[in-house]
Amino acid sequence: DAKTTQPNSMESNEEEPVHLPCNHSTISGTDYIHWYRQLPSQGPEYVIHGLTSNVNNRMASLAIAEDRKSSTLILHRATLRDAAVYYCILRFWGSQGNLIFGKGTKLSVKP
Amino acid sequence: EAGVAQSPRYKIIEKRQSVAFWCNPISGHATLYWYQQILGQGPKLLIQFQNNGVVDDSQLPKDRFSAERLKGVDSTLKIQPAKLEDSAVYLCASSPGHKQPQHFGDGTRLSIL
Repeated sequence: DAKTTQPNSMESNEEEPVHLPCNHSTISGTDYIHWYRQLPSQGPEYVIHGLTSNVNNRMASLAIAEDRKSSTLILHRATLRDAAVYYCILRFWGSQGNLIFGKGTKLSVKP
Repeated sequence: EAGVAQSPRYKIIEKRQSVAFWCNPISGHATLYWYQQILGQGPKLLIQFQNNGVVDDSQLPKDRFSAERLKGVDSTLKIQPAKLEDSAVYLCASSPGHKQPQHFGDGTRLSIL
């Protein structure tokens, strides 16, 4: 499976937008980009996923570079509840479903 | 809808003892996963079920770990005998099918003394 690279940690201020980057230079044409997040003492939570086009949902937006070698998860207005570890995961379309987690980015949100 | 339920929430045992974890997935979800998450790392898949059949158990240490999913609903994961290195959070997840997003429970935190 293609690997992803994320910063170990990021900080944000409450009510400001947050851009979480992910590099995946070896992505293949059939790899979907998935984002999950894990709040303290909880299991991971699905955030969003996409293939080529930018995606929006009630939680976040996913911006995918034209060459697909990087993507950015955008939280439009960070709240204290968004403090979590964010995982960027590539998932082959034909896979059995297994998610291969890296270490993710730990996001801290300051009031 | 009710989420993925796991029990117990915490478990402390001594090494060489046995332990079992239980998972009740979201109703109607055919795919069930067990992950192990060691402190400071991301979760790692142990085993995946599709209904009551095993799809992937390539990373399950089969000499000490076992799992079953009777009737394609609830699942149990067992460790016998436990080692110190098994200290981790054990997460259960389910999805309607293997291509859909996974829904995770809050896990069982296992400490081995």
